[in-house]
Amino acid sequence: EVQLVQSGAEVKKPGESLKISCKGSGYSFSDYWIGWVRQMPGKGLEWMGIIFPGDSDTRDSSSLQGQVTFSVDKSIDTAYLQWSSLKASDTAIYYCARRRIIRLPDVGRGVYSFDVWGQGTRVTVSS
Amino acid sequence: DIQMTQSPSSLSASVGDRVTIICRASESIRRHLNWYQQKPGRAPNLLIYAASTLQSGVPSRFSGSGSGADFILTISSLQPEDVATYYCHQSYITPGSFGQGTKVEIK
Repeated sequence: EVQLVQSGAEVKKPGESLKISCKGSGYSFSDYWIGWVRQMPGKGLEWMGIIFPGDSDTRDSSSLQGQVTFSVDKSIDTAYLQWSSLKASDTAIYYCARRRIIRLPDVGRGVYSFDVWGQGTRVTVSS
Repeated sequence: DIQMTQSPSSLSASVGDRVTIICRASESIRRHLNWYQQKPGRAPNLLIYAASTLQSGVPSRFSGSGSGADFILTISSLQPEDVATYYCHQSYITPGSFGQGTKVEIK
């Protein structure tokens, strides 16, 4: 069974650092991009960025550049999302998801979608 | 960046009703459009990819249509288990982007 399992909930103070994880299983982890999606309390989904475990190629949202770091350890099939100095506005649920490409004859280049999701990691930042 | 706009933001319908959700992109995304369902307290779940292809295991009462900049998600006969928030997502360019969501409730 293809699965992404995320690390547990975190409660931190402003200014602290944090690294959360997302471990894949049941598929070739290095062959699929991993995406990160933020959901702030009571709000919708926000695309944060993607990382390719094979070579750590990363693309991120312009609004989040420099605020978080995406990394991966392909030897243990795990992706990470990291903050060096948390703010209260980082309070959210963070999801990782596998980015799958499907090539359809009538669409031209392949279509990406997030087909498998982790259970989410709740991060609370409060003094 | 491409902006995605959904309408309505919420709706209430009776069991058995046909429900339609609209998603509009700020520019053409061809058919690079996905739909997700998120039930309360749960992670999102892929329903439809490439605008109209049903993900494996998703009930056939869900369907998608559209291309270019205008897309529709239809639930042909609303069931109690369909209470959720639905999101469209464009994957045509990076960064990707989601619509703001449509919350579906039972009347």
